[in-house]
Amino acid sequence: GQQLNQSPQSMFIQEGEDVSMNCTSSSIFNTWLWYKQEPGEGPVLLIALYKAGELTSNGRLTAQFGITRKDSFLNISASIPSDVGIYFCAGQKTAGGTSYGKLTFGQGTILTVHP
Amino acid sequence: SAVISQKPSRDICQRGTSLTIQCQVDSQVTMMFWYRQQPGQSLTLIATANQGSEATYESGFVIDKFPISRPNLTFSTLTVSNMSPEDSSIYLCSVGRGAYNEQFFGPGTRLTVL
Repeated sequence: GQQLNQSPQSMFIQEGEDVSMNCTSSSIFNTWLWYKQEPGEGPVLLIALYKAGELTSNGRLTAQFGITRKDSFLNISASIPSDVGIYFCAGQKTAGGTSYGKLTFGQGTILTVHP
Repeated sequence: SAVISQKPSRDICQRGTSLTIQCQVDSQVTMMFWYRQQPGQSLTLIATANQGSEATYESGFVIDKFPISRPNLTFSTLTVSNMSPEDSSIYLCSVGRGAYNEQFFGPGTRLTVL
């Protein structure tokens, strides 16, 4: 099935550094979401974006919904060890029809933070 | 958000057997979904669990292999039938909540097939 192109695949950074990851798609989505998954857990919703151009923050996390509605990025500032995990972007179509509500996921970015 | 539980949390099963996974939500939701996450991979949607009607399956997934029940607005089950080692994955349910039906995930069921 369709997947979003998420990059980078993995990142190894020092505590305190900023992190940036992004997702691109060949098709338009109405909503972009960013999730974090830790070992043994299901994905946890970090940020949801609803409008093209929207910039939203959640603590040290900032995400933007691209103007074309085909891309999004997530930034993490001043990383800490508990930021370790796998970050997934997901696009959601919220218009009517058979695609309503379904999520399409990126491949994930594995983040490792060295103290 | 939503409080979502799944049972079992993990299981080890023999080839050729079937396993039924339960998903329970703390309040009524319209939309429930089932996903598969193969080892080291991203999440792939299996089907949308429709209350009172047959589930809607994605390409590559069929009802005979992954029968789904949705008897009410807080509960659903996914059965993995006639299992093979290739079915070893994490199976996750999710629910749509909020004005835009943002999806919240259960903790997952870790299945190993020998």
